[in-house]
Amino acid sequence: AQKVTQAQTEISVVEKEDVTLDCVYETRDTTYYLFWYKQPPSGELVFLIRRNSFDEQNEISGRYSWNFQKSTSSFNFTITASQVVDSAVYFCALSEANRDDKIIFGKGTRLHILP
Amino acid sequence: DVKVTQSSRYLVKRTGEKVFLECVQDMDHENMFWYRQDPGLGLRLIYFSYDVKMKEKGDIPEGYSVSREKKERFSLILESASTNQTSMYLCASRRQVFNQPQHFGDGTRLSIL
Repeated sequence: AQKVTQAQTEISVVEKEDVTLDCVYETRDTTYYLFWYKQPPSGELVFLIRRNSFDEQNEISGRYSWNFQKSTSSFNFTITASQVVDSAVYFCALSEANRDDKIIFGKGTRLHILP
Repeated sequence: DVKVTQSSRYLVKRTGEKVFLECVQDMDHENMFWYRQDPGLGLRLIYFSYDVKMKEKGDIPEGYSVSREKKERFSLILESASTNQTSMYLCASRRQVFNQPQHFGDGTRLSIL
């Protein structure tokens, strides 16, 4: 069965520190997609990235980077030089190729960036 | 940019009332979804719709129904609201193309008194 685990419920770091949010997934499919979403205090989930199971290249977008490792079934998210505006709940999610209408979310990690 | 609009940000209703939550998307997306979000439980799928007049139960459909008469609008109905339906409700839509991401509205925080 598919499952997404975000073991860190809540993290607090001081502004400008780097922080990594962990995501571990389980699936029997060989073809699947992984996602990260950000939910700021306003409530809307904002899509950040989608990565398919055949592309293990790390991705960087400004201060955000993602490390996908199939060997450990992990898709970790790092924020470099964190800012107060990065404070939010971050969700990792998984969808399988044969059921791409369903997306399985982790329970989220609440990130506090302290000024 | 995709825009998913939920009709209310905050809503307060009484036990036993029939409650309608409305969601509209402007990108001609085929799929639409309703989730509820509760502390410690994450997002749970209530219902989703492949296309107009089509619906499928999610993980927690009990006490809810949905309506999709037009492609852009997906309504969630609480037939007889109960206090355990107090929650944050999130609507999402996506194109029915291979594993496209879902796009979410701002959410409706519903309180049932």
